[in-house]
Amino acid sequence: DGGITQSPKYLFRKEGQNVTLSCEQNLNHDAMYWYRQDPGQGLRLIYYSQIVNDFQKGDIAEGYSVSREKKESFPLTVTSAQKNPTAFYLCASSIQAAAIETQYFGPGTRLLVL
Amino acid sequence: DAKTTQPPSMDCAEGRAANLPCNHSTISGNEYVYWYRQIHSQGPQYIIHGLKNNETNEMASLIITEDRKSSTLILPHATLRDTAVYYCIVRVAENSGGSNYKLTFGKGTLLTVNP
Repeated sequence: DGGITQSPKYLFRKEGQNVTLSCEQNLNHDAMYWYRQDPGQGLRLIYYSQIVNDFQKGDIAEGYSVSREKKESFPLTVTSAQKNPTAFYLCASSIQAAAIETQYFGPGTRLLVL
Repeated sequence: DAKTTQPPSMDCAEGRAANLPCNHSTISGNEYVYWYRQIHSQGPQYIIHGLKNNETNEMASLIITEDRKSSTLILPHATLRDTAVYYCIVRVAENSGGSNYKLTFGKGTLLTVNP
């Protein structure tokens, strides 16, 4: 089955702790994205990566970091600098070279602060 | 700077057609209309997109007005599993760099399909 997987489904963070959210895709997509969703709101872009070893900040990158060492993986680290990390985090991917770009989403990770 | 306007909620009877409207009066000539939906606590799911012609796939039909200022997503035979928030998004399709990479989701329309 081709698709995007995110783990864990639920994640708990203590104050001052860094946590890493996993995102893996086997769709052979070039581009990957991280979005944050707060209750009753739309999605906001955190970071995106067009190609391996390259990534760009989105609208709300402060307090987050990413890496793109492999085409299929785009982990997101929520650092202690992110003061309000409780949210639903969504990873997406797309074929960068496609004329019509459609993003496909994973099932999401819900992060809760203890 | 919302580029689309959708009603906050709609109801539909199971088995009937669900018609979800979207206004995008400031759409540019190179912007496409995309529809996604999000079932509660899941990731958004791509449904369909179009530029100016009507489109149909196995999930839905998209009707775009001739002036392109509004569109309607049609689910021909709604089921209980179609209950979700439906998002209408306009954006350029080509990857020309810059902020067009992101999908700007508004609050969408909560469609509730009733038995």
